[in-house]
Amino acid sequence: GQNIDQPTEMTATEGAIVQINCTYQTSGFNGLFWYQQHAGEAPTFLSYNVLDGLEEKGRFSSFLSRSKGYSYLLLKELQMKDSASYLCAVMDSNYQLIWGAGTKLIIKP
Amino acid sequence: GAVVSQHPSRVICKSGTSVKIECRSLDFQATTMFWYRQFPKQSLMLMATSNEGSKATYEQGVEKDKFLINHASLTLSTLTVTSAHPEDSSFYICSAATGQPQETQYFGPGTRLLVL
Repeated sequence: GQNIDQPTEMTATEGAIVQINCTYQTSGFNGLFWYQQHAGEAPTFLSYNVLDGLEEKGRFSSFLSRSKGYSYLLLKELQMKDSASYLCAVMDSNYQLIWGAGTKLIIKP
Repeated sequence: GAVVSQHPSRVICKSGTSVKIECRSLDFQATTMFWYRQFPKQSLMLMATSNEGSKATYEQGVEKDKFLINHASLTLSTLTVTSAHPEDSSFYICSAATGQPQETQYFGPGTRLLVL
């Protein structure tokens, strides 16, 4: 079966760095997406990785290792507004998005 | 770019009535639109995938006669919840993509449905 694993919840301090991991087992791979979802709102696109390595976009970076079926989202200089759920999603060989359950990130002052 | 709108943002209706939700891609043509449902504190659940001009593909367990999807143009898809019941109360979110492989899905703001 297809499976996406990410931690249910993480807590971090304002100004710090946090890494949210995602491991996947899917039938084929056509890229991995990270989305941010604030409570009561729809997801917003953060990043897309299809090749191995690190993609940096401001305070957020996303890393992919296809051989390990592993990705992480790195958030630097955390702000209170970063409190949200972070969803990992993998596009399989049929170009279907397989969604993780999301990681709820709690930022403390 | 890549803005998706959804209307209405919130709707309260009586049990047995039908509710129509519109999803529009405002600045791009979306050959593929997706409809999701999300219950509180749960992940997104894909309901159906719709391609412009063709019938929607429903996920297992989703009643196609209850959740009617119309994708009449490259910028508009509608979801109609027919004969809504309280258990249909949920957060309905659409997303749109250009249809290219590996294309990012951009989400609408969602519609919160409460059926009394």
